[in-house]
Amino acid sequence: GDSVTQMEGPVTLSEEAFLTINCTYTATGYPSLFWYVQYPGEGLQLLLKATKADDKGSNKGFEATYRKETTSFHLEKGSVQVSDSAVYFCALFTGGGNKLTFGTGTQLKVEL
Amino acid sequence: KAGVTQTPRYLIKTRGQQVTLSCSPISGHRSVSWYQQTPGQGLQFLFEYFSETQRNKGNFPGRFSGRQFSNSRSEMNVSTLELGDSALYLCASSQGTSGYEQYFGPGTRLTVT
Repeated sequence: GDSVTQMEGPVTLSEEAFLTINCTYTATGYPSLFWYVQYPGEGLQLLLKATKADDKGSNKGFEATYRKETTSFHLEKGSVQVSDSAVYFCALFTGGGNKLTFGTGTQLKVEL
Repeated sequence: KAGVTQTPRYLIKTRGQQVTLSCSPISGHRSVSWYQQTPGQGLQFLFEYFSETQRNKGNFPGRFSGRQFSNSRSEMNVSTLELGDSALYLCASSQGTSGYEQYFGPGTRLTVT
């Protein structure tokens, strides 16, 4: 079945550091890929998405490129802020309704 | 546009009781999906409704059920609550039939004692 693997957290960075959160997937067919973010006490917010190979999703300084050859969708940001502290979830969708398969989430802590 | 709303936000129930959670999707969205989030199992898909019909169902026991009304609002019900049902229940709405972006509500935090 479909699955998503994310790097273990927590990831602790200093403000303005470079961020990478790794995400790899296993899926039948050609999935759409997503990154969601969850702030404490809140639901999930869609951060960015990519629907086909080599697509780059971007939003709020975050980027991720759909790499079919390595089945990866790593999240990057050039300079993190304290306000980016949250849990980040990688997810995929492979058609047939609207079921999303999520990774386990990676907690990011950004310190001054 | 107003976002996805879920009620109640917090709920405390006793083992053996039943509970009903409500979700109002974004106006114009016809698909509503439900997810359970726990520290141990992460985010797991419960079921999805589109135009009042259940289209997908996750691997949960029959105690978990749902429905969708003609105005796209959805409810999920859990009967005979168990301690392990304590979780954050998230609802997501989507515009189209398949593959569209999903927008999540703030969730209902259920605690079973």
